[in-house]
Amino acid sequence: SQQGEEDPQALSIQEGENATMNCSYKTSINNLQWYRQNSGRGLVHLILIRSNEREKHSGRLRVTLDTSKKSSSLLITASRAADTASYFCAPQTSYDKVIFGPGTSLSVIP
Amino acid sequence: NAGVTQTPKFQVLKTGQSMTLQCAQDMNHNSMYWYRQDPGMGLRLIYYSASEGTTDKGEVPNGYNVSRLNKREFSLRLESAAPSQTSVYFCASSDYLMTGRGEKLFFGSGTQLSVL
Repeated sequence: SQQGEEDPQALSIQEGENATMNCSYKTSINNLQWYRQNSGRGLVHLILIRSNEREKHSGRLRVTLDTSKKSSSLLITASRAADTASYFCAPQTSYDKVIFGPGTSLSVIP
Repeated sequence: NAGVTQTPKFQVLKTGQSMTLQCAQDMNHNSMYWYRQDPGMGLRLIYYSASEGTTDKGEVPNGYNVSRLNKREFSLRLESAAPSQTSVYFCASSDYLMTGRGEKLFFGSGTQLSVL
């Protein structure tokens, strides 16, 4: 199984700024997913990037994947107070259980 | 379309009591998962079921048992609850193994369990 490690652990920015968080992992992967968790709620899937992709966009989200460095980044542009949440990455190998890292806690200050 | 439904939402137990957390999904997914989340921490995998009739241990299986009753339902049982099992429990489902290419997990809203 494969666990990602998010960095930084906590991030505080002003509304309108961009937020970048990173994920590192140890072995080859099939795909990598990012999830968001609002306080006290279940995780919500944000985006999935496959190992043969380098960049993917979804609205204000931009995810990159560098398999040579075994790392991924999640960029949230023009952040809003509603983006305040914890963000988790989940690198996956084929036929593998899904293990989450400790996450990045993002605070967007109005 | 309800997605993943967990019951109960809240539960308080005394040490040594037993209980079963229920989870059902209506998306015809093959894979189902149970996680626990302690305050300020990420999710830790307790058990998962890749398909109906199969279950496997995750990171923290001790003190728990699971049953994949059918394709829709995956229950988590605490036989003798301990204060260390106070946590928020999340159930999730996906079609990962069907496609083998990776599919997103859908989560329930969680069960907040306190063991006194």
